[in-house]
Amino acid sequence: EVQLVESGGGLVKPGGSLRLSCAASGFTVSDASMSWVRQAPGKGLEWVGRIKSKTGGGTTYYAAPVKGRFTISRDGSKNTLYLQMNSLKTEDTAVYYCTTDQVVVPADFDYWGQGTLVTVSS
Amino acid sequence: SYELTQPPSVSVSPGQTASITCSGEKLGDIYVCWFQQKPGQSPVLVIYEDSKRPSGIPERFSGSSSGNTATLTISGTQVMDEADYYCQAWDTFGGGTKLTVL
Repeated sequence: EVQLVESGGGLVKPGGSLRLSCAASGFTVSDASMSWVRQAPGKGLEWVGRIKSKTGGGTTYYAAPVKGRFTISRDGSKNTLYLQMNSLKTEDTAVYYCTTDQVVVPADFDYWGQGTLVTVSS
Repeated sequence: SYELTQPPSVSVSPGQTASITCSGEKLGDIYVCWFQQKPGQSPVLVIYEDSKRPSGIPERFSGSSSGNTATLTISGTQVMDEADYYCQAWDTFGGGTKLTVL
């Protein structure tokens, strides 16, 4: 059974950094394409970025608002996905979800973790 | 960038059919997914590839897509179906529709 458990959220000042983790079980993160999606308080869903599977080249892609500030990586030995967030802005405040892409069914965002809240405020 | 438009809210009486639309340029030419999100919970995939249901999703959920519009249909809507619903294509999500069952 697929499980995704995010952690690392919290309160950070504008300009600060934070690293989110997504511990996976039930599949191997290196063999999967995975994404981060965020949801600002009371707002809709916004794709943040994606890392392709190892066999897919491991390429990373980012949404325009976070490109150059956020970095997605993974550690196969820990079966964990990461989101390194630098130069944080107040508008980055959101619940951040990690998702699998085409692990359970042939569709992106097919399974979601419980999310972790990031608050950027002075 | 690609844009998807959903009505902010839809209301339906229990047992009736709810239809939620999603509009986007040539949406019928690409696959659409639908997600259900209940308050305080993570989104759940309910429809993928326009009309397929993942395991565990009730048969009352169905989807279709043609032209510039995709539609999520919930037949015999139950109170437990009250939630926000999001359509998705490529890496774009619609703004979400709040389904009220009353």
